Amino acid sequence: GAGVSQSPSNKVTEKGKDVELRCDPISGHTALYWYRQSLGQGLEFLIYFQGNSAPDKSGLPSDRFSAERTGGSVSTLTIQRTQQEDSAVYLCASSLGGATIEKLFFGSGTQLSVL
Amino acid sequence: QKEVEQNSGPLSVPEGAIASLNCTYSDRGSQSFFWYRQYSGKSPELIMSIYSNGDKEDGRFTAQLNKASQYVSLLIRDSQPSDSATYLCAVKRDSNYQLIWGAGTKLIIKP
Repeated sequence: GAGVSQSPSNKVTEKGKDVELRCDPISGHTALYWYRQSLGQGLEFLIYFQGNSAPDKSGLPSDRFSAERTGGSVSTLTIQRTQQEDSAVYLCASSLGGATIEKLFFGSGTQLSVL
Repeated sequence: QKEVEQNSGPLSVPEGAIASLNCTYSDRGSQSFFWYRQYSGKSPELIMSIYSNGDKEDGRFTAQLNKASQYVSLLIRDSQPSDSATYLCAVKRDSNYQLIWGAGTKLIIKP
């Protein structure tokens, strides 16, 4: 596609349920990032993928959070046993990697609301 | 101390005036600096990058970098209401893939 695609755009779930968020990066982009943004806050780094591997998972808030990337393309972020504090916008970004790794293209995000 | 600091604002500027946004960072090893614009309810988009001390101009936007003082700024000339947004400063450490983000400055351009 032309841009980074995320789905769903909105997700309302009950506390304790699992949710899965999807990101489809720009074709050819090897680097993929997940961020979380709470209302009025900056971007909180969650995880970074280079290809299919995740050299840095240090931003994942707890072991309830996991992410994978297959085929060097689509990534899913899974949150198990959701809590109200997980409510936020989850943003995915991709970049070509290499020398331009820091030039990120963002998806439109998934607004997660945990009731 | 946060690694990247920005005044949260809001910064209110009359239409046609110059808007000045500032960002300071703590890691002297930082090499690359970026300004992203985020409209309300939308995702960030890259508007400027700067790597060397001095000024870099792109249309109505000028990024200024002073590594000795550890600050980077963004000037917007002839401000328009469409410039109203939150501006995020991001800094990349040397030899590191990760961007460190400021919390953003909300800019309001008043007609």
